[in-house]
Amino acid sequence: EVQVVESGGGLLKPGGSLRLSCAASGFTFTNSWMAWVRQAPGKGLEWIGRIKSKTHGGTALYAAPVKDRFIISRDDSKEMLYLQVNSLKTEDTALYYCTTDLSHWGQGTMVTVSS
Amino acid sequence: QTVVTQEPSLTVSPGGTVTLTCASSTGAVTSGNDPNWFQQKPGQAPRALIYGISNKHSWTPARFSGSLLGGKAALTLSGVQPEDEAEYYCLLYYGDGQGVFGGGTRLAVL
Repeated sequence: EVQVVESGGGLLKPGGSLRLSCAASGFTFTNSWMAWVRQAPGKGLEWIGRIKSKTHGGTALYAAPVKDRFIISRDDSKEMLYLQVNSLKTEDTALYYCTTDLSHWGQGTMVTVSS
Repeated sequence: QTVVTQEPSLTVSPGGTVTLTCASSTGAVTSGNDPNWFQQKPGQAPRALIYGISNKHSWTPARFSGSLLGGKAALTLSGVQPEDEAEYYCLLYYGDGQGVFGGGTRLAVL
């Protein structure tokens, strides 16, 4: 069974940083493109970015609004996906989803940015 | 900034047929935009329904179908069930592969 489980969310202050993690299982992670999506409370879905498999170059692509502060990375040996968020803003408050490039979704991890 | 537009809300009767659309601010939606559709119910994670215009996932009910219609991506539900009441999102890809979600369509089954 394909599973992705996010962790690392919490209450943080503006200007800080965080790293979200996503543990993958049940599929060949090494060959999979992965993506992050977020959803602010009561709002719609926002595509954050995706990272290709190493065989396709392993590069990440980001949505324009976040490309200067967000970094997606992967550790294929651990079957883990990461999202580093720097210079946190209150508008980063959202439920962050890890997905197998939008096919299989986790339940999300909540990030709240507030002073 | 690219904008993807969906109907804010639609209502359909049980057993009826409804079509949701997804338009791009850049022009006609094409296969190059690789349209995807998702269903989200309150308190749940989104569930993928359609990818690549019309391809269904193994779990996608047969009553859901995707297409290109009049320059837009379209999701048609035929024989709507009460459990289809949900928010539906489309996603289009642009350029090197950046994705943009539409604002979502709230589908009511009444």
